[in-house]
Amino acid sequence: DVKVTQSSRYLVKRTGEKVFLECVQDMDHENMFWYRQDPGLGLRLIYFSYDVKMKEKGDIPEGYSVSREKKERFSLILESASTNQTSMYLCASSLWQNTEAFFGQGTRLTVV
Amino acid sequence: GDSVTQMEGPVTLSEEAFLTINCTYTATGYPSLFWYVQYPGEGLQLLLKATKADDKGSNKGFEATYRKETTSFHLEKGSVQVSDSAVYFCALSDQGFQKLVFGTGTRLLVSP
Repeated sequence: DVKVTQSSRYLVKRTGEKVFLECVQDMDHENMFWYRQDPGLGLRLIYFSYDVKMKEKGDIPEGYSVSREKKERFSLILESASTNQTSMYLCASSLWQNTEAFFGQGTRLTVV
Repeated sequence: GDSVTQMEGPVTLSEEAFLTINCTYTATGYPSLFWYVQYPGEGLQLLLKATKADDKGSNKGFEATYRKETTSFHLEKGSVQVSDSAVYFCALSDQGFQKLVFGTGTRLLVSP
């Protein structure tokens, strides 16, 4: 069974903290993605990566960075968390030759 | 850029009713089209997909046909169940790095 695992289901952080969201996939997929999900806005792409150490900005990269040191792991970093980054964060992965994406269960982040 | 528009929700139906959720898209080239479903408290799961014009995707009684002439990919089910209550997302993948572009989601509520 394919699996994308996000390290936390729920997180509460303080404004200004540095926050790490971790995602691991066990399918040897080339592509990995970070989305945020907000009511009425659907899913918006933050960053994606198509290879180790490669990254591309998505539609809303401001305030975020990413790291992909190993093929199976893709980390999202909030350098200085702010309340407008309170959201559901979803990680996904897909094969290079197959456009179907597999999603993790999501991390609900609250910044207070 | 590429975009997906889907009908606002919530859609409220009684069990065994017919379901249609509209989805239209704007894209350059020939994208693949998807419907994803998100059950409460979970990540997204692929429901069905179509990769070229006139293809019909189907799964669990749901169907959608890729209509290039109307740039649409409407989701239908002949008889919904309470267990179909979820949020449904229409999406397309571009042909570059295979990132997915999502609609805003449509919540379906099915009552007994």
